[in-house]
Amino acid sequence: GEDVEQSLFLSVREGDSSVINCTYTDSSSTYLYWYKQEPGAGLQLLTYIFSNMDMKQDQRLTVLLNKKDKHLSLRIADTQTGDSAIYFCAESTGYSSASKIIFGSGTRLSIRP
Amino acid sequence: EAEVAQSPRYKITEKSQAVAFWCDPISGHATLYWYRQILGQGPELLVQFQDESVVDDSQLPKDRFSAERLKGVDSTLKIQPAELGDSAMYLCASSGTDYEQFFGPGTRLTVL
Repeated sequence: GEDVEQSLFLSVREGDSSVINCTYTDSSSTYLYWYKQEPGAGLQLLTYIFSNMDMKQDQRLTVLLNKKDKHLSLRIADTQTGDSAIYFCAESTGYSSASKIIFGSGTRLSIRP
Repeated sequence: EAEVAQSPRYKITEKSQAVAFWCDPISGHATLYWYRQILGQGPELLVQFQDESVVDDSQLPKDRFSAERLKGVDSTLKIQPAELGDSAMYLCASSGTDYEQFFGPGTRLTVL
């Protein structure tokens, strides 16, 4: 069945790069997502990548996809205190905007001065 | 900027009581989702609507949970009776024609 796994915690120094990793099991995934959740809030979509791409860059964010290994990563350059949050990896296996999304358990990113 | 609205933001109830949560999606979004997020976990889909029709409720505990979207706009999720294990954040999301689901702020439910 579908499963998305991520490490639970990551601590980085302010100004360094953060790399959050994720693995998924469903080889028929079409879209892969990274969501950010701040305390007490809903989820905010940071970026997504289509399964036929291997990289996507958007300002400080870089997403790398290794479809062979079913591995997705999110790199945040120049990590700032405002990046402290829980980051969720998610996958979709459909082609429509109404496709089901499966979420990982989230990686809590903490920033040390 | 259009947002998904949810109310209440917080709800404390005793077990065996009934609770209801309301969601107003972004105007024009045909697809509406209810998720449950247990502390320390990712959101899990409970029910998905396309307009007023349920398209996926396979993970909805139908003995105690119900959801409706009568006019294809706003939606209500009900739990009756509430159990201790229902304590969680209940998130509503909506999507239009692109691949982004927009999430509301959630309702945090505590069952005592």
